[in-house]
Amino acid sequence: EAGVAQSPRYKIIEKRQSVAFWCNPISGHATLYWYQQILGQGPKLLIQFQNNGVVDDSQLPKDRFSAERLKGVDSTLKIQPAKLEDSAVYLCASSLGQQNTEAFFGQGTRLTVV
Amino acid sequence: KQEVTQIPAALSVPEGENLVLNCSFTDSAIYNLQWFRQDPGKGLTSLLLIQSSQREQTSGRLNASLDKSSGRSTLYIAASQPGDSATYLCAVDKGNNDMRFGAGTRLTVKP
Repeated sequence: EAGVAQSPRYKIIEKRQSVAFWCNPISGHATLYWYQQILGQGPKLLIQFQNNGVVDDSQLPKDRFSAERLKGVDSTLKIQPAKLEDSAVYLCASSLGQQNTEAFFGQGTRLTVV
Repeated sequence: KQEVTQIPAALSVPEGENLVLNCSFTDSAIYNLQWFRQDPGKGLTSLLLIQSSQREQTSGRLNASLDKSSGRSTLYIAASQPGDSATYLCAVDKGNNDMRFGAGTRLTVKP
């Protein structure tokens, strides 16, 4: 079974530039998450999708971050414009969406804003 | 608001020791708790998931316990090996598959 795929693995951009990350969840997984993990901290939920609908985006900085999940499968996360403090690993995860089911994570995209 | 705390932040043990990692959470109304492992530069790997109705789960040398009423979970690792070196994270699901993570415990097992 293929895992959660993310691209790119690494990205370096200058502040005020824009960047986009892509995630392909495990086939059949209804729930998709984007997390931000700053060095030395645990992952922080940015947005959670159930199929192509948003369940929770309360911690997404909506002035600069946006995310979409077209057709309830792949998802993209965009930052525009980036700030230095956005430097982090962006993790995508998916789960079946039923209660008490495990979440599976991708390798993450390490973003460095200079 | 759910707060998840993991103690200690870092732990170093000699190979072969048994060890316990701790996770505490402020809101006992959870659906489940999940323990993950994270290797440097990698994503998270699920180790164990304990449902709110369960007290413990075991997988090989790992045993996770859950005490909802006191807001605590422990991850017990038996006979630690250098390959167990990683950061261990706990996450609580407060419902609707909404997971909240602790900051993790960075474990080093010395040969």
